[in-house]
Amino acid sequence: QVQLVESGGGVVEPGRSLRLSCAASGFTFRSYAMHWVRQAPGKGLEWVAVISTDGSNQYYADSVKGRFTISRDNSKNTLYLQMNSLTPEDAVVYYCARHRGAQLVAAYFDYWGQGTLVTVAS
Amino acid sequence: QSALTQPRSMSGSPGQSVTISCTGTSSDVGGYDYVSWYQQHPAKAPKLMIFDVTKRPSGVPDRFSGSKSGNTASLTISGLQAEDEADYFCFSYAGSYTWVFGGGTKLTVL
Repeated sequence: QVQLVESGGGVVEPGRSLRLSCAASGFTFRSYAMHWVRQAPGKGLEWVAVISTDGSNQYYADSVKGRFTISRDNSKNTLYLQMNSLTPEDAVVYYCARHRGAQLVAAYFDYWGQGTLVTVAS
Repeated sequence: QSALTQPRSMSGSPGQSVTISCTGTSSDVGGYDYVSWYQQHPAKAPKLMIFDVTKRPSGVPDRFSGSKSGNTASLTISGLQAEDEADYFCFSYAGSYTWVFGGGTKLTVL
């Protein structure tokens, strides 16, 4: 069955960096675009970034553009999110989600991971 | 990339119907038929309920339906059941390869 397992969350000081990973299994990873979505505890969801199947195209929310980088390693069935210059506003749960939709613009998510919590504190 | 507008909370009794609205602009909800809806129970990952405005994934009860009129999309839940109590989020393409969620609606089954 499809599984997405995030890791890499933890406590980091403001201004520092962190890399999240999402290990995929149960499907042909290289055939699906992948997204990161985040959520403050008890708050709403925020779309963060998307990467195309081969990694050649990435798009970001304005709130993270220039600070975060989404990437993937199809040989390892793993999605990444490199987060730099972290602020307290980035201290939320991060989910990876599998893209569905015939085109990238027609995105919706049929599988989600369980999330990994990032805490930004000095 | 402003969040889509949803009512913060709604409630209904078992067996009743509720309709959750999701209002955007002509640049997002109104401009594309790429609206999806997600159900989220506490401490759980979101679950897809509706995609492409009206389509229901296999396994989702037909009590759940979606629609759109102008810049507002709606999720209707008929025959409310206790397990429908959850948070619901809409999601839409917003142009220029960006996407936006609604602020979320907390549904209480009385």
